[in-house]
Amino acid sequence: GQQVMQIPQYQHVQEGEDFTTYCNSSTTLSNIQWYKQRPGGHPVFLIQLVKSGEVKKQKRLTFQFGEAKKNSSLHITATQTTDVGTYFCAGPSGGSNYKLTFGKGTLLTVNP
Amino acid sequence: KAGVTQTPRYLIKTRGQQVTLSCSPISGHRSVSWYQQTPGQGLQFLFEYFSETQRNKGNFPGRFSGRQFSNSRSEMNVSTLELGDSALYLCASSLAGEEKLFFGSGTQLSVL
Repeated sequence: GQQVMQIPQYQHVQEGEDFTTYCNSSTTLSNIQWYKQRPGGHPVFLIQLVKSGEVKKQKRLTFQFGEAKKNSSLHITATQTTDVGTYFCAGPSGGSNYKLTFGKGTLLTVNP
Repeated sequence: KAGVTQTPRYLIKTRGQQVTLSCSPISGHRSVSWYQQTPGQGLQFLFEYFSETQRNKGNFPGRFSGRQFSNSRSEMNVSTLELGDSALYLCASSLAGEEKLFFGSGTQLSVL
Protein backbone atom coordinates (compact mmCIF):
# COMPACT_ATOMS: atom_id res chain seq x y z
CA GLY A 1 0.00 0.00 0.00
CA GLN A 2 0.86 3.65 -0.09
CA GLN A 3 3.64 4.80 2.19
CA VAL A 4 4.45 8.29 3.37
CA MET A 5 7.93 8.74 4.76
CA GLN A 6 9.08 11.72 6.77
CA ILE A 7 12.58 12.75 7.73
CA PRO A 8 14.10 13.51 10.06
CA GLN A 9 12.30 11.75 12.88
CA TYR A 10 13.64 14.23 15.43
CA GLN A 11 15.21 17.66 15.17
CA HIS A 12 16.57 19.74 17.99
CA VAL A 13 17.48 23.35 17.25
CA GLN A 14 18.52 26.48 19.05
CA GLU A 15 15.93 29.22 19.04
CA GLY A 16 16.45 31.35 15.97
CA GLU A 17 17.79 28.53 13.79
CA ASP A 18 15.91 27.29 10.75
CA PHE A 19 14.17 23.91 10.51
CA THR A 20 13.07 21.74 7.60
CA THR A 21 11.13 18.50 7.47
CA TYR A 22 10.71 16.42 4.32
CA CYS A 23 7.91 14.17 3.24
CA ASN A 24 8.02 11.55 0.48
CA SER A 25 5.17 9.47 -0.84
CA SER A 26 5.49 6.15 -2.65
CA THR A 27 2.67 7.26 -4.97
CA THR A 28 1.63 10.47 -6.69
CA LEU A 29 -0.66 12.53 -4.49
CA SER A 30 -3.65 14.61 -5.51
CA ASN A 31 -2.87 16.87 -2.58
CA ILE A 32 -0.87 16.92 0.62
CA GLN A 33 -1.77 18.29 4.01
CA TRP A 34 0.38 19.34 6.94
CA TYR A 35 -0.58 19.15 10.61
CA LYS A 36 1.09 20.17 13.86
CA GLN A 37 0.63 18.38 17.14
CA ARG A 38 1.86 20.02 20.30
CA PRO A 39 3.03 17.71 23.12
CA GLY A 40 -0.06 16.29 24.80
CA GLY A 41 -2.31 17.82 22.18
CA HIS A 42 -4.08 16.81 19.04
CA PRO A 43 -3.14 17.40 15.39
CA VAL A 44 -4.07 20.83 14.08
CA PHE A 45 -4.39 21.51 10.36
CA LEU A 46 -1.77 23.86 8.94
CA ILE A 47 -2.18 23.82 5.18
CA GLN A 48 -3.17 21.88 2.08
CA LEU A 49 -1.16 21.94 -1.15
CA VAL A 50 -2.79 20.87 -4.39
CA LYS A 51 -0.80 22.05 -7.40
CA SER A 52 2.45 20.67 -8.70
CA GLY A 53 5.35 22.90 -7.60
CA GLU A 54 3.10 24.90 -5.30
CA VAL A 55 4.71 27.05 -2.62
CA LYS A 56 2.71 28.59 0.20
CA LYS A 57 3.85 30.75 3.08
CA GLN A 58 2.37 31.32 6.49
CA LYS A 59 4.48 33.90 8.33
CA ARG A 60 7.73 32.02 9.11
CA LEU A 61 6.50 28.72 7.63
CA THR A 62 7.06 27.83 3.97
CA PHE A 63 5.42 24.78 2.43
CA GLN A 64 6.37 23.24 -0.91
CA PHE A 65 4.79 20.54 -3.04
CA GLY A 66 7.12 18.82 -5.47
CA GLU A 67 6.79 18.97 -9.23
CA ALA A 68 6.01 15.25 -9.38
CA LYS A 69 3.52 15.59 -6.50
CA LYS A 70 5.31 12.86 -4.58
CA ASN A 71 7.22 14.97 -2.10
CA SER A 72 6.75 17.99 0.07
CA SER A 73 8.64 20.04 2.61
CA LEU A 74 7.97 22.38 5.48
CA HIS A 75 10.57 25.00 6.33
CA ILE A 76 10.45 27.18 9.43
CA THR A 77 12.62 30.28 9.51
CA ALA A 78 14.03 31.52 12.80
CA THR A 79 12.35 28.97 15.06
CA GLN A 80 10.68 30.04 18.27
CA THR A 81 9.79 28.01 21.36
CA THR A 82 6.17 28.12 20.24
CA ASP A 83 7.15 26.00 17.20
CA VAL A 84 7.78 22.97 19.42
CA GLY A 85 5.72 19.96 18.41
CA THR A 86 5.43 17.16 15.90
CA TYR A 87 4.83 18.06 12.28
CA PHE A 88 2.98 15.53 10.14
CA CYS A 89 2.37 15.37 6.45
CA ALA A 90 -0.59 13.40 5.14
CA GLY A 91 -1.79 12.34 1.74
CA PRO A 92 -4.97 10.73 0.48
CA SER A 93 -4.90 7.00 -0.13
CA GLY A 94 -7.06 4.26 -1.52
CA GLY A 95 -8.53 6.61 -4.09
CA SER A 96 -10.25 8.75 -1.49
CA ASN A 97 -9.37 12.25 -0.31
CA TYR A 98 -11.02 11.39 3.01
CA LYS A 99 -8.72 8.50 3.88
CA LEU A 100 -5.38 9.98 4.84
CA THR A 101 -2.05 8.25 5.22
CA PHE A 102 0.09 10.15 7.68
CA GLY A 103 3.85 10.24 7.85
CA LYS A 104 5.39 9.30 11.19
CA GLY A 105 6.10 12.96 11.84
CA THR A 106 9.10 15.06 12.79
CA LEU A 107 9.40 16.05 16.42
CA LEU A 108 10.86 19.53 16.71
CA THR A 109 12.31 20.72 19.99
CA VAL A 110 13.65 24.24 20.42
CA ASN A 111 16.25 25.26 22.97
CA PRO A 112 15.61 28.84 24.18
CA LYS B 1 -18.31 27.40 17.41
CA ALA B 2 -17.53 24.38 19.56
CA GLY B 3 -14.77 22.09 18.37
CA VAL B 4 -14.83 18.34 17.99
CA THR B 5 -15.76 16.75 21.30
CA GLN B 6 -14.65 13.28 22.28
CA THR B 7 -15.71 11.37 25.34
CA PRO B 8 -14.41 9.99 27.53
CA ARG B 9 -10.90 11.50 27.66
CA TYR B 10 -9.42 8.51 29.41
CA LEU B 11 -10.40 4.87 29.66
CA ILE B 12 -8.85 1.89 31.37
CA LYS B 13 -10.07 -1.53 30.33
CA THR B 14 -8.88 -5.09 30.69
CA ARG B 15 -8.19 -7.59 27.95
CA GLY B 16 -11.29 -9.16 26.51
CA GLN B 17 -13.60 -6.29 27.37
CA GLN B 18 -15.22 -4.04 24.83
CA VAL B 19 -15.29 -0.26 24.67
CA THR B 20 -17.35 2.44 22.99
CA LEU B 21 -15.93 5.86 22.22
CA SER B 22 -18.02 8.87 21.30
CA CYS B 23 -17.40 11.81 19.01
CA SER B 24 -19.46 14.95 18.37
CA PRO B 25 -18.26 16.79 15.26
CA ILE B 26 -18.24 20.51 14.69
CA SER B 27 -21.74 21.75 13.92
CA GLY B 28 -22.39 21.44 10.20
CA HIS B 29 -19.64 18.90 9.59
CA ARG B 30 -21.01 15.71 8.10
CA SER B 31 -17.82 13.71 7.65
CA VAL B 32 -16.32 12.03 10.70
CA SER B 33 -13.07 10.08 10.62
CA TRP B 34 -11.36 8.01 13.27
CA TYR B 35 -7.62 7.52 13.69
CA GLN B 36 -5.53 5.45 16.05
CA GLN B 37 -2.31 7.03 17.28
CA THR B 38 0.47 5.00 18.89
CA PRO B 39 4.16 5.83 19.42
CA GLY B 40 5.22 2.95 17.20
CA GLN B 41 2.78 3.13 14.30
CA GLY B 42 1.89 6.81 14.36
CA LEU B 43 -1.48 7.94 13.07
CA GLN B 44 -3.43 5.20 11.34
CA PHE B 45 -6.77 5.59 9.60
CA LEU B 46 -9.61 3.50 11.00
CA PHE B 47 -12.73 4.58 9.11
CA GLU B 48 -14.67 7.53 7.80
CA TYR B 49 -18.40 8.16 7.86
CA PHE B 50 -20.52 10.55 5.87
CA SER B 51 -24.26 10.88 6.21
CA GLU B 52 -24.48 7.72 8.33
CA THR B 53 -22.61 5.63 5.75
CA GLN B 54 -19.14 4.21 6.10
CA ARG B 55 -17.38 5.68 3.12
CA ASN B 56 -13.82 4.52 3.78
CA LYS B 57 -12.23 1.83 5.90
CA GLY B 58 -8.67 1.24 7.04
CA ASN B 59 -6.78 -1.98 7.59
CA PHE B 60 -7.97 -2.87 11.05
CA PRO B 61 -9.56 -6.15 12.16
CA GLY B 62 -13.31 -6.53 12.39
CA ARG B 63 -13.13 -5.97 16.15
CA PHE B 64 -13.04 -2.29 15.29
CA SER B 65 -16.36 -0.93 14.17
CA GLY B 66 -18.14 2.36 14.05
CA ARG B 67 -21.32 4.10 13.18
CA GLN B 68 -22.68 7.55 12.57
CA PHE B 69 -26.03 8.90 13.62
CA SER B 70 -28.39 11.23 11.80
CA ASN B 71 -27.03 14.21 13.78
CA SER B 72 -23.51 13.33 12.52
CA ARG B 73 -22.35 12.20 15.94
CA SER B 74 -20.25 9.07 15.70
CA GLU B 75 -19.24 6.17 17.89
CA MET B 76 -16.54 3.60 17.51
CA ASN B 77 -16.50 0.26 19.23
CA VAL B 78 -13.64 -2.09 19.91
CA SER B 79 -14.58 -5.59 21.03
CA THR B 80 -12.42 -8.24 22.67
CA LEU B 81 -9.75 -5.73 23.62
CA GLU B 82 -6.10 -6.66 23.27
CA LEU B 83 -3.07 -5.08 24.92
CA GLY B 84 -2.03 -3.70 21.54
CA ASP B 85 -5.23 -1.67 21.33
CA SER B 86 -3.82 0.75 23.89
CA ALA B 87 -3.63 4.02 22.01
CA LEU B 88 -4.94 7.53 21.60
CA TYR B 89 -8.09 7.37 19.49
CA LEU B 90 -8.70 10.56 17.59
CA CYS B 91 -11.87 11.64 15.91
CA ALA B 92 -11.83 14.30 13.22
CA SER B 93 -14.58 16.06 11.33
CA SER B 94 -14.66 17.96 8.09
CA LEU B 95 -17.07 19.96 5.99
CA ALA B 96 -18.62 18.29 2.98
CA GLY B 97 -16.33 18.83 0.02
CA GLU B 98 -13.32 19.82 2.13
CA GLU B 99 -10.52 17.48 3.09
CA LYS B 100 -8.94 19.33 5.96
CA LEU B 101 -9.57 17.65 9.27
CA PHE B 102 -10.46 19.18 12.61
CA PHE B 103 -9.38 16.80 15.34
CA GLY B 104 -10.80 16.31 18.78
CA SER B 105 -8.61 15.94 21.87
CA GLY B 106 -8.88 12.17 21.67
CA THR B 107 -9.66 9.31 24.00
CA GLN B 108 -6.63 7.72 25.65
CA LEU B 109 -7.39 4.01 25.97
CA SER B 110 -5.26 1.81 28.18
CA VAL B 111 -5.80 -1.95 28.03
CA LEU B 112 -4.40 -3.87 30.99
